Amino acid sequence: DIVMTQSPLSLSVTPGQPASISCKSSQTLLNRDGRTYLYWSLQRPGQSPQLLIYEVSNRLPGVPDRFSGSGSGTDFTLRISRVEADDVGVYYCMESTHFPWTFGQGTKVEFK
Amino acid sequence: QVTVKESGPVLLRPTETLTLTCTVSGFALNNPYTGVSWLRQRPGKALEWLATLFSSDDKFYFPSLRTRLTVSKDTSSTDTSRRQVVFTMTTVDPADSGTYYCARIPLYVYDSSGYHGAFDVWGQGTLVSVSS
Repeated sequence: DIVMTQSPLSLSVTPGQPASISCKSSQTLLNRDGRTYLYWSLQRPGQSPQLLIYEVSNRLPGVPDRFSGSGSGTDFTLRISRVEADDVGVYYCMESTHFPWTFGQGTKVEFK
Repeated sequence: QVTVKESGPVLLRPTETLTLTCTVSGFALNNPYTGVSWLRQRPGKALEWLATLFSSDDKFYFPSLRTRLTVSKDTSSTDTSRRQVVFTMTTVDPADSGTYYCARIPLYVYDSSGYHGAFDVWGQGTLVSVSS
């Protein structure tokens, strides 16, 4: 199975400051069709996960543009340009290039 | 509006069978290139994908749990608007305790390497406890 490793596992941020989360996969997530099936989700406290970004860098409708995704191959990054109160929670990366689909351990983002 | 909602028992004894139902609305289970998945979140652990029923009627299961899992459409009702996916896990153990979610795959890709997709709408989750 693919291993998805996120870092850091915990991130304490100042409101209005940027934040960055890394996700590394044990094998390339570039699929034979040329697409990379890497996703980012946010699970706010007490809520179900919410999909933010699909295929590395595409924001879902309604996701603020302060969220951006980048990367290729085995290294991916989620960036928040200016963290707001609504951004607190656990962020997960997930891959579906390989079977079984696998999540990272999660990165908990909280305010200082 | 697309919603999915889990229902089922919250307390089981070891070796019993867990049966959960996902009731969906706002989309049909046979919409092309869609799917419904089951996932879980055990205490202190990451999210785990468990099973998916694709609109193609293909079913995929987490390999190490394959022999214990089943996912299917509920065909017991003659009401064609009833849209439910049933998930079963046999021989539960306390290690299976956690929150179980159903989630929609809005659009999957299928190619020679398999299925690819993600989950855009999640249920609120149902907390399952296994204890003697």
